[in-house]
Amino acid sequence: KQEVTQIPAALSVPEGENLVLNCSFTDSAIYNLQWFRQDPGKGLTSLLLIQSSQREQTSGRLNASLDKSSGRSTLYIAASQPGDSATYLCAEQTIIQGAQKLVFGQGTRLTINP
Amino acid sequence: GAGVSQTPSNKVTEKGKYVELRCDPISGHTALYWYRQSLGQGPEFLIYFQGTGAADDSGLPNDRFFAVRPEGSVSTLKIQRTERGDSAVYLCASSSGYSRNEQFFGPGTRLTVL
Repeated sequence: KQEVTQIPAALSVPEGENLVLNCSFTDSAIYNLQWFRQDPGKGLTSLLLIQSSQREQTSGRLNASLDKSSGRSTLYIAASQPGDSATYLCAEQTIIQGAQKLVFGQGTRLTINP
Repeated sequence: GAGVSQTPSNKVTEKGKYVELRCDPISGHTALYWYRQSLGQGPEFLIYFQGTGAADDSGLPNDRFFAVRPEGSVSTLKIQRTERGDSAVYLCASSSGYSRNEQFFGPGTRLTVL
């Protein structure tokens, strides 16, 4: 059974710090790994997608890495801002017999303190 | 361009009633997904459509849940004889189905069963 775990469940840091969010997954037959942001009461915003053939992706202050051998992905946020406060979710996608679905972790609730 | 839209944004119903939740995917996206998110949890997969057909419905919790996508665009998730445990946010996502298969999510429908 595919499982995705995110640690820590919650994180609070002062503004300006660099931080790392962790995601681990059990299925080595990963197709891609997607990171999302979710604001309270809102849907999911896709931040970065890393295909299985890639090791990392960058977008602005965000950098996501993928290590299939260890079953881990990290999301690095540089120079954090209060507007970065949200829940961050990672999701693994595998393709089995043509069927595609995302398996999500429980998320890390991030608070950036001014 | 327009993203994924879902209606209604909120639905309050009584136990035992029938509800329909609608999803309009991004134009041209052939793949459509339904997920359910309970408070404090990551989304859980319900069903995946490729075109008009349900390619994977393994996440539907029981036979009270059914979804259709008759013309390969708009999808409707139908829940019969609603129970209090069905209360959650129902999320819809779509993707192009091509190699990156990045999924884009709608804002969700918050269902409350009294």
